[in-house]
Amino acid sequence: GDSVTQMEGPVTLSEEAFLTINCTYTATGYPSLFWYVQYPGEGLQLLLKATKADDKGSNKGFEATYRKETTSFHLEKGSVQVSDSAVYFCALLIGGSQGNLIFGKGTKLSVKP
Amino acid sequence: NAGVTQTPKFQVLKTGQSMTLQCAQDMNHNSMYWYRQDPGMGLRLIYYSASEGTTDKGEVPNGYNVSRLNKREFSLRLESAAPSQTSVYFCASSIVGASLQETQYFGPGTRLLVL
Repeated sequence: GDSVTQMEGPVTLSEEAFLTINCTYTATGYPSLFWYVQYPGEGLQLLLKATKADDKGSNKGFEATYRKETTSFHLEKGSVQVSDSAVYFCALLIGGSQGNLIFGKGTKLSVKP
Repeated sequence: NAGVTQTPKFQVLKTGQSMTLQCAQDMNHNSMYWYRQDPGMGLRLIYYSASEGTTDKGEVPNGYNVSRLNKREFSLRLESAAPSQTSVYFCASSIVGASLQETQYFGPGTRLLVL
């Protein structure tokens, strides 16, 4: 079935380090792909999205490119800040699924000053 | 515009007790969802409602019931709580149409502890 696999955490980085969080997916159709972020004590909020192959989603310095050939949607940021400490979830949305998202298990990021 | 609101924020139950988690959205969204979040498991869909008057099971519906009271409100009921239902529960809403670009908007969550 449809699924999302993302790298396990926790990931600990120093401020201004480069971040990559890997995400790969398995889907029978042509999904849209999302990254959601959950700050401590809060609900999830959309970080970025891409709806078709080779699209790049970007927001707040984060980027992810929809790679159909490798079924991947890796999240990157060139220089992380302490305020980026959160849990990041990769998710996919299949057409005809009535809008149901399939989430990865989440990757916790801690950024140290 | 409050977005998605959930009540209560935190609840402790004893095994066998019942309770209802409330969710409301003010964005005129047609679809609403209930998820549970457990450590190392990500978010798993319990039930969803594609439109007012309809509900469908998600990945983990056992032990839960839902009601889509109107377009704004979607409640989740635990008839006889079990320790395995200790979790954080999130409600979400979205507009679902022909486009696949719909974003889900999440509430702040309800932390439930079943003793």
